[in-house]
Amino acid sequence: QKEVEQDPGPLSVPEGAIVSLNCTYSNSAFQYFMWYRQYSRKGPELLMYTYSSGNKEDGRFTAQVDKSSKYISLFIRDSQPSDSATYLCAMTARTGGYNKLIFGAGTRLAVHP
Amino acid sequence: DAGVIQSPRHEVTEMGQEVTLRCKPISGHNSLFWYRQTMMRGLELLIYFNNNVPIDDSGMPEDRFSAKMPNASFSTLKIQPSEPRDSAVYFCASRGLAGANEQFFGPGTRLTVL
Repeated sequence: QKEVEQDPGPLSVPEGAIVSLNCTYSNSAFQYFMWYRQYSRKGPELLMYTYSSGNKEDGRFTAQVDKSSKYISLFIRDSQPSDSATYLCAMTARTGGYNKLIFGAGTRLAVHP
Repeated sequence: DAGVIQSPRHEVTEMGQEVTLRCKPISGHNSLFWYRQTMMRGLELLIYFNNNVPIDDSGMPEDRFSAKMPNASFSTLKIQPSEPRDSAVYFCASRGLAGANEQFFGPGTRLTVL
């Protein structure tokens, strides 16, 4: 079993839809939770970053963490074609004296006009 | 700020050849990571350097892979000899403070081994 599970999709939605992306994890030692966005043929870039359980909002994006259920989500409101990308969840674990990032497989999202 | 710079962007080589991938981290960043991304395995950490010293190389798949960081502004990942199963996108990422969590990724090198 992988430490971080993420449905690879693909997920196809119409413009304006609310998108929900999810990850589950097994390691209760994970401390920081992130969402990276990766456009085709580009490197991942940090989108959202949170530490505690609860919600964090940034514009059309909301990151949600439920540590008791080991479950994180990213919601995108009023989705736009420019949101079409692969979304990777990532979590840090203290390993060998440093914070190691563990990535999910990524969910490919397509928002069509 | 130019961001993390990687070269080459694309590399096509034949099995058995040596491949060298290059990375220039963001100026002032003291941590550097090499990752490999494939459809099957996703994004995997290969090696982590802090202040030019390799700290965690547990992700390096085998002796055919080696990485160096001779100074704060340059790192290489070498595969010798290369095999078709090494075909992947290789990313370099850098991070500023040791306690920070955000890693800044380069554009990647797409490697194809025939």
